[in-house]
Amino acid sequence: GDSVTQMEGPVTLSEEAFLTINCTYTATGYPSLFWYVQYPGEGLQLLLKATKADDKGSNKGFEATYRKETTSFHLEKGSVQVSDSAVYFCALSERSNDYKLSFGAGTTVTVRA
Amino acid sequence: DVKVTQSSRYLVKRTGEKVFLECVQDMDHENMFWYRQDPGLGLRLIYFSYDVKMKEKGDIPEGYSVSREKKERFSLILESASTNQTSMYLCVIQGGTSGNTIYFGEGSWLTVV
Repeated sequence: GDSVTQMEGPVTLSEEAFLTINCTYTATGYPSLFWYVQYPGEGLQLLLKATKADDKGSNKGFEATYRKETTSFHLEKGSVQVSDSAVYFCALSERSNDYKLSFGAGTTVTVRA
Repeated sequence: DVKVTQSSRYLVKRTGEKVFLECVQDMDHENMFWYRQDPGLGLRLIYFSYDVKMKEKGDIPEGYSVSREKKERFSLILESASTNQTSMYLCVIQGGTSGNTIYFGEGSWLTVV
């Protein structure tokens, strides 16, 4: 079945550091891929998505490229801020699985000033 | 504006009590899902429904049941709450022709004592 594996946390960084959170997936077909973010005390919200191979999703300085050859969707940001402290979830959905969302375990990121 | 309402944000229940968590949407979407979120485990699918009166088990249905009597309302039921069901419960609505439009409820934090 579908599954998502993402880098274990927690991750602690200094402001302006480079952030990468690895995400790899297993799917039977051609899934859509998502990154969701959960800020402290808030609900989940979509950060970015990509629906086909080689698509790049981007938002708020974050980017992720859909790599079919490596079944990966790594999240990157060049210069993090304290306000980026949150839990990040990688997820996928695909038609062959009735579009159910499969989530990774989540990665907690803390950015220190 | 899109609205997904979960009836209770914070609940404390005793072991053995029956618990109802309700999710209501105002978008006329068919697909509704219940997940639970636990640290280090991400979001795990409990039950889902693609239409009125229809329900399907997710990955961790044990100890739960659901009801979908009306299209806009999807209820999660804990027949006899146990302490290992202490968690955050999240309602997810899915729309769009390829299921790529996702809406989240605010979450219901349940503590079973």
